[in-house]
Amino acid sequence: DAGVTQSPTHLIKTRGQHVTLRCSPISGHKSVSWYQQVLGQGPQFIFQYYEKEERGRGNFPDRFSARQFPNYSSELNVNALLLGDSALYLCASSLAGTEIQPQHFGDGTRLSIL
Amino acid sequence: AQSVTQPDIHITVSEGASLELRCNYSYGATPYLFWYVQSPGQGLQLLLKYFSGDTLVQGIKGFEAEFKRSQSSFNLRKPSVHWSDAAEYFCAVVAGGFKTIFGAGTRLFVKA
Repeated sequence: DAGVTQSPTHLIKTRGQHVTLRCSPISGHKSVSWYQQVLGQGPQFIFQYYEKEERGRGNFPDRFSARQFPNYSSELNVNALLLGDSALYLCASSLAGTEIQPQHFGDGTRLSIL
Repeated sequence: AQSVTQPDIHITVSEGASLELRCNYSYGATPYLFWYVQSPGQGLQLLLKYFSGDTLVQGIKGFEAEFKRSQSSFNLRKPSVHWSDAAEYFCAVVAGGFKTIFGAGTRLFVKA
């Protein structure tokens, strides 16, 4: 079975632009979470979606938004990009999004802001 | 506020030696604890998890971890390290039912 897939794998943008990152969860998984991992740090929680509804949001500005589609895939959108948005963006899926459900991570999208 | 602390930024061990990676958490309720491993350029892979019950949990690749409530710790151990274990290791706690909080990670170097 395919794991969590993310696209694109790498992306270069300039300040002020916007970006859309995509994630396809493992088949049967209904929950998708997004994380930002800055170089040298652990992942920071951005969003969790379950059954197309936002269940939680981390401490990120409104420039960050996301949505989940009927097929449970998800997009993360970031507007007005800043240099500090350069990071590895990780998507994780789980069956139901509760704490007892382990998350399965994709390999991430490496976003570089020039 | 919930938090996870991994005191060691990096650790170097010889191949075949034992390993212990430290993790301390701060969380008021019953913690759900995880250890993940990340190889360069890749996502995170779950090594093991603790929800309740036996405080010594076994994971994949020969890893184990012990939950000690009195010390708010969840240290990861392996009796004999292999060169392929070189990676970054993250301890995590789930807070509020959905938000996973990660530590800053410990990078493991293995020397021949």
